[in-house]
Amino acid sequence: EPEVTQTPSHQVTQMGQEVILRCVPISNHLYFYWYRQILGQKVEFLVSFYNNEISEKSEIFDDQFSVERPDGSNFTLKIRSTKLEDSAMYFCASSVGQGGEPQHFGDGTRLSIL
Amino acid sequence: GENVEQHPSTLSVQEGDSAVIKCTYSDSASNYFPWYKQELGKRPQLIIDIRSNVGEKKDQRIAVTLNKTAKHFSLHITETQPEDSAVYFCAASKPSGYQKVTFGTGTKLQVIP
Repeated sequence: EPEVTQTPSHQVTQMGQEVILRCVPISNHLYFYWYRQILGQKVEFLVSFYNNEISEKSEIFDDQFSVERPDGSNFTLKIRSTKLEDSAMYFCASSVGQGGEPQHFGDGTRLSIL
Repeated sequence: GENVEQHPSTLSVQEGDSAVIKCTYSDSASNYFPWYKQELGKRPQLIIDIRSNVGEKKDQRIAVTLNKTAKHFSLHITETQPEDSAVYFCAASKPSGYQKVTFGTGTKLQVIP
């Protein structure tokens, strides 16, 4: 069964540094998402992406965050200047369509900011 | 925006008993309600979902019910097994907004052998 894949599985970064988290969505999916989950808390929506542009973003997704689909397979989340509070598990998800289509999640990247 | 409340936050049941997790949502425009199971350190995995044109859906030991009028939906697990132990999240999304999924706060289910 096709899966969403994410790299790296764990990223440790100094505060203030830039990080890029990478995702390869399922190949026939058209809608892509990033979520984050702070340890022990619920999963929170960050951003959705369709047709090479952001379709919706949450209040968490401020100017320090950006997303990109640099080629036909990768989908990246960049945090320009990391803060301690960015430490979390970041999940990428994809779905084939919108409006009631299941989202499939990757295994996540655990981001630790020191 | 949408707000999803989930209860209880923790639930312990004996193996073989049933478990029920309840959620409420605030936005009457929401029409898709997935349930995710998350084991420790793993991804959320979709276990069942329901759409607003359906009141109940069942898949083996798992069933979901939806009351659109009251904006309630519930997950029922029968004949629980130790491998059902995990955190369960309910969620809701609308047809617009490119299907942003709003998650509940999670229920940690422990099935005692």
